[in-house]
Amino acid sequence: DAKTTQPTSMDCAEGRAANLPCNHSTISGNEYVYWYRQIHSQGPQYIIHGLKNNETNEMASLIITEDRKSSTLILPHATLRDTAVYYCIASLLTGGGNKLTFGTGTQLKVEL
Amino acid sequence: DVKVTQSSRYLVKRTGEKVFLECVQDMDHENMFWYRQDPGLGLRLIYFSYDVKMKEKGDIPEGYSVSREKKERFSLILESASTNQTSMYLCASRRATGRKGDTEAFFGQGTRLTVV
Repeated sequence: DAKTTQPTSMDCAEGRAANLPCNHSTISGNEYVYWYRQIHSQGPQYIIHGLKNNETNEMASLIITEDRKSSTLILPHATLRDTAVYYCIASLLTGGGNKLTFGTGTQLKVEL
Repeated sequence: DVKVTQSSRYLVKRTGEKVFLECVQDMDHENMFWYRQDPGLGLRLIYFSYDVKMKEKGDIPEGYSVSREKKERFSLILESASTNQTSMYLCASRRATGRKGDTEAFFGQGTRLTVV
């Protein structure tokens, strides 16, 4: 898995968009970008993934730059319940024997 | 719903004891993982298994071993527990292959192990 770099922490006002950046400059052509989040005292939860096109689901949007060296997770209307640690991971499509390596993630704090 | 179940939510063991942490998944996933999580260090991979009886070391395997005799079960073993193995342990599983990258991992709720 390619190494990813994220800011340690971010703050966001409730109701505003939260934009969480991730750098993955060594990502290979067949590695997907995955985002997970971990709410305190729970196991991480999958949010979204993408290869090169922007993706959107009911939880979030994922914007991947054209050169695929960075991406941004967007929570369009953050709520207090979105306070969590967010992890960005680059991983191959075919798991096989591939590790799934998490880093330290970004602690997002959503405030009133 | 995919379910990854860890046998204990909280566990207290004595130094030197042999400790077994059990993880079971019900979605026929090939890959299973064990992580530990400590404040400020994120999730660190201990071991993973890409199929039955197959295992590979992660980033911090020292002091741990694993067993995968059946596809649905992945056990983490602390041969001789030490106080520096006090931590939150998380198990995960995922499919090995999928179309359009749909190989997201599913996690258990974690086991908080205290070694005294």
